[in-house]
Amino acid sequence: GAVVSQHPSRVICKSGTSVKIECRSLDFQATTMFWYRQFPKKSLMLMATSNEGSKATYEQGVEKDKFLINHASLTLSTLTVTSAHPEDSSFYICSAKLGDYEQYFGPGTRLTVT
Amino acid sequence: QKEVEQDPGPLSVPEGAIVSLNCTYSNSAFQYFMWYRQYSRKGPELLMYTYSSGNKEDGRFTAQVDKSSKYISLFIRDSQPSDSATYLCAMSPMNRDDKIIFGKGTRLHILP
Repeated sequence: GAVVSQHPSRVICKSGTSVKIECRSLDFQATTMFWYRQFPKKSLMLMATSNEGSKATYEQGVEKDKFLINHASLTLSTLTVTSAHPEDSSFYICSAKLGDYEQYFGPGTRLTVT
Repeated sequence: QKEVEQDPGPLSVPEGAIVSLNCTYSNSAFQYFMWYRQYSRKGPELLMYTYSSGNKEDGRFTAQVDKSSKYISLFIRDSQPSDSATYLCAMSPMNRDDKIIFGKGTRLHILP
């Protein structure tokens, strides 16, 4: 149990275009999901907390107009990188909260902006 | 002082050895402690979680929490090459609305 999926697993897009990444909890409902960014050999960097039915809470320094988060249902959160630039290339990982404390991660999405 | 400190490694040990991974923390409000394993280019996988002080064992893995010293450990017995990964500690206060705080991760290499 407690499986989280992400789609796509890998995406290449041109500079200036937008990319949507989906995060789904497959066998449980998640009121809260999180979006992280990770650079090679670096730790997870929390970008935002996504709450079902309400606006996401962004961490300091994360542009909310650039990284649009939608959590429309208890099993789906989406992250849209708008007007992507090469510096947005990274590994994006979502996680879903099960119960009060356990957090399960998706397999990640590797974004490359050319 | 950072809330959670974890030595980034890399830590290299021979196959079969006992591995000890550790984290220290400064926030005495932390009550819930977790260990994640992350393989290269994959999402972190929850290995173990413990509440408050004490030990918890699961197969070759043992998680230990010492709240008086603000120190947590993960022991891996009979280490195998497939254990080579980055291990992240994580912790949270009891307030369910609080975020989980992650360590930076320790890269572990098990040498065959």
